[in-house]
Amino acid sequence: GQQLNQSPQSMFIQEGEDVSMNCTSSSIFNTWLWYKQEPGEGPVLLIALYKAGELTSNGRLTAQFGITRKDSFLNISASIPSDVGIYFCAGQNYGGSQGNLIFGKGTKLSVKP
Amino acid sequence: EAGVAQSPRYKIIEKRQSVAFWCNPISGHATLYWYQQILGQGPKLLIQFQNNGVVDDSQLPKDRFSAERLKGVDSTLKIQPAKLEDSAVYLCASSGLEGPRFGNTIYFGEGSWLTVV
Repeated sequence: GQQLNQSPQSMFIQEGEDVSMNCTSSSIFNTWLWYKQEPGEGPVLLIALYKAGELTSNGRLTAQFGITRKDSFLNISASIPSDVGIYFCAGQNYGGSQGNLIFGKGTKLSVKP
Repeated sequence: EAGVAQSPRYKIIEKRQSVAFWCNPISGHATLYWYQQILGQGPKLLIQFQNNGVVDDSQLPKDRFSAERLKGVDSTLKIQPAKLEDSAVYLCASSGLEGPRFGNTIYFGEGSWLTVV
């Protein structure tokens, strides 16, 4: 089945630093999404990417959909303590009645004030 | 707009007991998903409904897991009998068309946290 490789597995950074994480797949997706999950909560959608090469920002977050449709990256600029959490990439092929998400294993982000 | 509602939030049971989780999706969302998230991993799809029909249940352990969405709105996921390895977060999610630009964005509930002892 489809699998996503997400890296790094964890990051421990100083407040104010920029963060970069990425996701690669053995197969293509129509959509790439990035979710954030905080302890005791479900994943919350941060950014959705629908077109190969697309670069999208949401505040301090920027994500890109790779040209090959097999990869995506997420950057967080000027990190703050509330950025702490686990970031998941997910690939999706939608159309008709499908739309299931395939998730990476997550990048755990810790931010030191 | 209300989000995806799930209950109970937390449940501890002994192995071989049964448990049921309930989910009410975002109003108007036709597609409902149940995901299992084991600690340290990303969520994995168990079953997907489109209205009251099953679209994909290929990864549902059918010998012990069952799910239904009888009226095409809320859904119940049951585990009977539970095993130790079923300890996980059970996430319900829903999606509905928001226009051709956005595909089928999937929104998650807060999850039901199951511990099997």
